[in-house]
Amino acid sequence: NAGVTQTPKFQVLKTGQSMTLQCAQDMNHEYMSWYRQDPGMGLRLIHYSVGAGITDQGEVPNGYNVSRSTTEDFPLRLLSAAPSQTSVYFCASSQTATNEKLFFGSGTQLSVL
Amino acid sequence: GEDVEQSLFLSVREGDSSVINCTYTDSSSTYLYWYKQEPGAGLQLLTYIFSNMDMKQDQRLTVLLNKKDKHLSLRIADTQTGDSAIYFCAESITGANNLFFGTGTRLTVIP
Repeated sequence: NAGVTQTPKFQVLKTGQSMTLQCAQDMNHEYMSWYRQDPGMGLRLIHYSVGAGITDQGEVPNGYNVSRSTTEDFPLRLLSAAPSQTSVYFCASSQTATNEKLFFGSGTQLSVL
Repeated sequence: GEDVEQSLFLSVREGDSSVINCTYTDSSSTYLYWYKQEPGAGLQLLTYIFSNMDMKQDQRLTVLLNKKDKHLSLRIADTQTGDSAIYFCAESITGANNLFFGTGTRLTVIP
């Protein structure tokens, strides 16, 4: 039972580099989202998708892009990494956008030097 | 976004009860959640309560909701060392696409 799978678990980048954080779910969930977790700030929503081909911005979208070409995958792209993007990133999914249960992946710890 | 507040730290002795508190500002909240995060892991949904309920019990966990004061609490009976984790309170009006999280309370259980 894989659930929500994120890769990599850890990543170190230099300022200005780009990379993609991967997220996949095997539960046929329509809704997927990305959060970042920073000390003392809880989780903040970056982007979300209510279905394949549909994405929208959350609370803190600047510096990140997403796409949803399939139901299963929802990659998060950092276009030009900045130290302010040092954080722990969580992908989450739910059966639908209005379902009450949200399931999380195990996270990607990203450091930008 | 909405405001969800929690104290940052709580320490209890093994076998005692733990009570983690949360306050929120949005009176339209429909769902109120407790998530648990163990070290190096993602958030695990522990339990949730609908806003038209006052209490929900699930084995060692009791959730109390005071809607008038916008106060949510999680009581863990007979706290064990395996309960040591960060506990996040969250609220939502519409469900998964609209969750607002608190900062988390780090629970430390002392043997």
